[in-house]
Amino acid sequence: KAGVTQTPRYLIKTRGQQVTLSCSPISGHRSVSWYQQTPGQGLQFLFEYFSETQRNKGNFPGRFSGRQFSNSRSEMNVSTLELGDSALYLCASSLAPAGQGASEQYFGPGTRLTVT
Amino acid sequence: AQSVSQHNHHVILSEAASLELGCNYSYGGTVNLFWYVQYPGQHLQLLLKYFSGDPLVKGIKGFEAEFIKSKFSFNLRKPSVQWSDTAEYFCAVIMNRDDKIIFGKGTRLHILP
Repeated sequence: KAGVTQTPRYLIKTRGQQVTLSCSPISGHRSVSWYQQTPGQGLQFLFEYFSETQRNKGNFPGRFSGRQFSNSRSEMNVSTLELGDSALYLCASSLAPAGQGASEQYFGPGTRLTVT
Repeated sequence: AQSVSQHNHHVILSEAASLELGCNYSYGGTVNLFWYVQYPGQHLQLLLKYFSGDPLVKGIKGFEAEFIKSKFSFNLRKPSVQWSDTAEYFCAVIMNRDDKIIFGKGTRLHILP
């Protein structure tokens, strides 16, 4: 079974631009979560989608948004990029939403975003 | 605020030494608990998990963790580490009040050959 895939793997953007990152979950997984990983803050939860609905959201500004499609694929968008948005963005999928029985998450390789 | 603490940021051990990495969380309700590992150049992967039942959980590669509810802890242990255990280890907790998963900041483990 193929794992979680994320595209692109690397991205360089300029301040003020916007970016869209994509995540394809493991086949059959309906929950997708996004995280921002930085050396100083570790892994911080951005949001979780289940069956095309945002189920939970972390403490990030409204510039960070996402969506999930009917095939469970998910996209994350960051508008008006800031230097501090440089990070590794991780996507994780699971069979069930967080807090439910089979909710261990499987992580993708991440998208390394650099904002200059 | 709900939080997960990993007190050891960087641990250096020799091969065959015993390992215990601490993880504490701040929430008195029902929790789901996880340890993830990230080997150099690889994805985060699940080591072990606790949802309910026996508080001593065994995971892959000889790791185990014990959930002690009274101490709000879920420490990771391995009796004898190997050089290949060099990695970053993350504790994660789902606090069932709002089902958000919170990660600790990670512990970098370096095993000397």
